[in-house]
Amino acid sequence: DADVTQTPRNRITKTGKRIMLECSQTKGHDRMYWYRQDPGLGLRLIYYSFDVKDINKGEISDGYSVSRQAQAKFSLSLESAIPNQTALYFCATSDHSGANVLTFGAGSRLTVL
Amino acid sequence: DAKTTQPPSMDCAEGRAANLPCNHSTISGNEYVYWYRQIHSQGPQYIIHGLKNNETNEMASLIITEDRKSSTLILPHATLRDTAVYYCIVRVGNNNDMRFGAGTRLTVKP
Repeated sequence: DADVTQTPRNRITKTGKRIMLECSQTKGHDRMYWYRQDPGLGLRLIYYSFDVKDINKGEISDGYSVSRQAQAKFSLSLESAIPNQTALYFCATSDHSGANVLTFGAGSRLTVL
Repeated sequence: DAKTTQPPSMDCAEGRAANLPCNHSTISGNEYVYWYRQIHSQGPQYIIHGLKNNETNEMASLIITEDRKSSTLILPHATLRDTAVYYCIVRVGNNNDMRFGAGTRLTVKP
């Protein structure tokens, strides 16, 4: 099994629908992140969490919310999806050591019609 | 965190060394240089990181100039499977987040 698992891997939805992307990890890491990638561009940080009680906004948090249900689980929600939120979404984890190396999930491709 | 500048694309012949440059002229003393790569639309994969000294692991070597204003990632014997987008990132080791730019698209050709 993958260290960082994202579900669903692909999702097509309609404008205005609520969508939740889920991420779970078996790395035992305390830090979790959500990134967004648009075609031909690098990754942009949406939200990150350093532990269960810590949530921080990233570069592009507007239109998104997150929930850290447990150390191993970090969910990203789009309360009312819009077409420009069509993108590839990545969850990542890291520990709190000096290296802080990120481990990424396989990605969730979201299409909003 | 300091900004980085990378060429948008590079080609390399299979079996040859791939040398990917990164400029980070505003790097500060406590910032590390990290390299990741992304193959197709998979999740980015960590390659290597360093602070001052050159580093080598099973995947690559990282050469950091003495003034730390630039670095080079070296893939010693590039294969077709090394075709990917390579991201150079500079950040404080334990800082809050890691920000990815557009990276360098490396194409390894037979």
